[in-house]
Amino acid sequence: DTEVTQTPKHLVMGMTNKKSLKCEQHMGHRAMYWYKQKAKKPPELMFVYSYEKLSINESVPSRFSPECPNSSLLNLHLHALQPEDSALYLCASSPIGGFGETQYFGPGTRLLVL
Amino acid sequence: KQEVTQIPAALSVPEGENLVLNCSFTDSAIYNLQWFRQDPGKGLTSLLLIQSSQREQTSGRLNASLDKSSGRSTLYIAASQPGDSATYLCAVTGDSSYKLIFGSGTRLLVRP
Repeated sequence: DTEVTQTPKHLVMGMTNKKSLKCEQHMGHRAMYWYKQKAKKPPELMFVYSYEKLSINESVPSRFSPECPNSSLLNLHLHALQPEDSALYLCASSPIGGFGETQYFGPGTRLLVL
Repeated sequence: KQEVTQIPAALSVPEGENLVLNCSFTDSAIYNLQWFRQDPGKGLTSLLLIQSSQREQTSGRLNASLDKSSGRSTLYIAASQPGDSATYLCAVTGDSSYKLIFGSGTRLLVRP
């Protein structure tokens, strides 16, 4: 299984809602990533987990809260988002999070904040 | 600060043409460079990864070259097909970081 899955595919939420994005991989990878991609822009790294521990937080606002319950699963909890947070949220994984590893991306969750 | 630029931003070619996509980066201290493909509204698919010590990589109709000293990479697509239509992104990893720095991509349309 060389696939990274993400749910839901689409999400519409209000600014007062709480929602979560899920990402799962069964490749035995120990590093997982969250990226944010605005329309016609390249992906921007948000968080990196390595061996279930948060290793990088790219100064992301606290309304985004990542969680890595186990080595196969990565969540992104959303609370009090702003309309400018509307974007495609991509999850990726790599074997150990070492330098320059190929990252395997999921299909993304398209988020719209009203 | 590493910056990655891709030219052209968009490209439209008739089916069967050979084409070249360009990627340039400002800091030559890279660990590797990757080319990705992204279909509209979808995730990224890794196409080729070139280590900093390598000059090129090939996969099927795709050939990627790397000239680290000049800060350039090209992706050559032979005998293009409509199914090749997508956005192509290059990304570099610095030699002291595992953060991918992406270019803005080239949107390719191959016309039947």
